[in-house]
Amino acid sequence: DGGITQSPKYLFRKEGQNVTLSCEQNLNHDAMYWYRQDPGQGLRLIYYSQIVNDFQKGDIAEGYSVSREKKESFPLTVTSAQKNPTAFYLCASSQQGGNTIYFGEGSWLTVV
Amino acid sequence: GESVGLHLPTLSVQEGDNSIINCAYSNSASDYFIWYKQESGKGPQFIIDIRSNMDKRQGQRVTVLLNKTVKHLSLQIAATQPGDSAVYFCAESPSGNTPLVFGKGTRLSVIA
Repeated sequence: DGGITQSPKYLFRKEGQNVTLSCEQNLNHDAMYWYRQDPGQGLRLIYYSQIVNDFQKGDIAEGYSVSREKKESFPLTVTSAQKNPTAFYLCASSQQGGNTIYFGEGSWLTVV
Repeated sequence: GESVGLHLPTLSVQEGDNSIINCAYSNSASDYFIWYKQESGKGPQFIIDIRSNMDKRQGQRVTVLLNKTVKHLSLQIAATQPGDSAVYFCAESPSGNTPLVFGKGTRLSVIA
């Protein structure tokens, strides 16, 4: 089936550790995005990439890093510099120049 | 109705009634708008979209209305069902390749 796959669904991180969330899409979309969602809140943009080997910071990029080495993959690393990383992370993709973005099922990250 | 604060505004409706969810957008230059539905613990799903050259668009049981004069968007759900219970987000596209900007969301609770 075509779609956006995020893994893992649930992840626990110890203080001071970096963790990487995976996002893969087989929709042949050019653009990919990472959003953060806190309980009962809206979506905030972390990073986005409109083409391979290029990405831009969103509204809350501090403490996060991304790479876009392949069109279908856009992993997000939550670094130890992110002070409050516990949240629901959503990956999305869209056609280049397209407005509609499609979301994966999300990954829950909890700091323990 | 809606309220301002840290928590999502909630709209409670009786099963079978019509629901109206409102959204105020910020950028008068936005030319494309989308409504998403997010069920608990899942990624947002596309419901319906509308371009700025239209005032109204209908889908299956849903209608989106756009009032550019007051920068207001609404989603109407006919004959609301328990399965419609979710958080609904509006999103606007400020320009070409700029990522969507999401509203804060409204929680729809359907009373059986």
